[in-house]
Amino acid sequence: GQSLEQPSEVTAVEGAIVQINCTYQTSGFYGLSWYQQHDGGAPTFLSYNALDGLEETGRFSSFLSRSDSYGYLLLQELQMKDSASYFCAVRSSSGGSYIPTFGRGTSLIVHP
Amino acid sequence: KAGVTQTPRYLIKTRGQQVTLSCSPISGHRSVSWYQQTPGQGLQFLFEYFSETQRNKGNFPGRFSGRQFSNSRSEMNVSTLELGDSALYLCASSLDRDRGNTEAFFGQGTRLTVV
Repeated sequence: GQSLEQPSEVTAVEGAIVQINCTYQTSGFYGLSWYQQHDGGAPTFLSYNALDGLEETGRFSSFLSRSDSYGYLLLQELQMKDSASYFCAVRSSSGGSYIPTFGRGTSLIVHP
Repeated sequence: KAGVTQTPRYLIKTRGQQVTLSCSPISGHRSVSWYQQTPGQGLQFLFEYFSETQRNKGNFPGRFSGRQFSNSRSEMNVSTLELGDSALYLCASSLDRDRGNTEAFFGQGTRLTVV
């Protein structure tokens, strides 16, 4: 089956840089995505990596190493509003189906 | 353009009852997926519909079912409700450009409480 591991909680101060790691075990891997979810809100898509390397979108960057089954989300110049849960997700093939699997989420707490 | 709309936002049901949740995807999106979110299990995939056909299915019992209409709107049904079905049910729609890309737009969810 598919599984993803990410830390349950990360804390940082405003203005700092934080990295949220995600390791995965899956078959038929197609790519790694990241979502942000504020308390009481809907998950919001942040990024998608299909190939190895770094993808940058403003203050957020996402990295993927397919050989290591590993990726991370990098948040720079942290702001209080970045306090939220962050989920990594993979879509993989299994018996002809393409099942999205999400990690348990990392709660990011940003302190002033 | 309007986002993904889910109704109702909140629902309280009794064990043994059934419930139907509705999801209207973003205009032009033909793929609709449903997820169950709980504190203990996180986000779990229920099923995905594309062009009125169930394309993928997660590991949930047959009490959970769904359908998609010709206008891409989708409903999910849970029969014989159990206390453990209490959760936030999220619907997500996507353009379905690339099977590997999980990019999807989520609705605000329906908070179901089973008592």
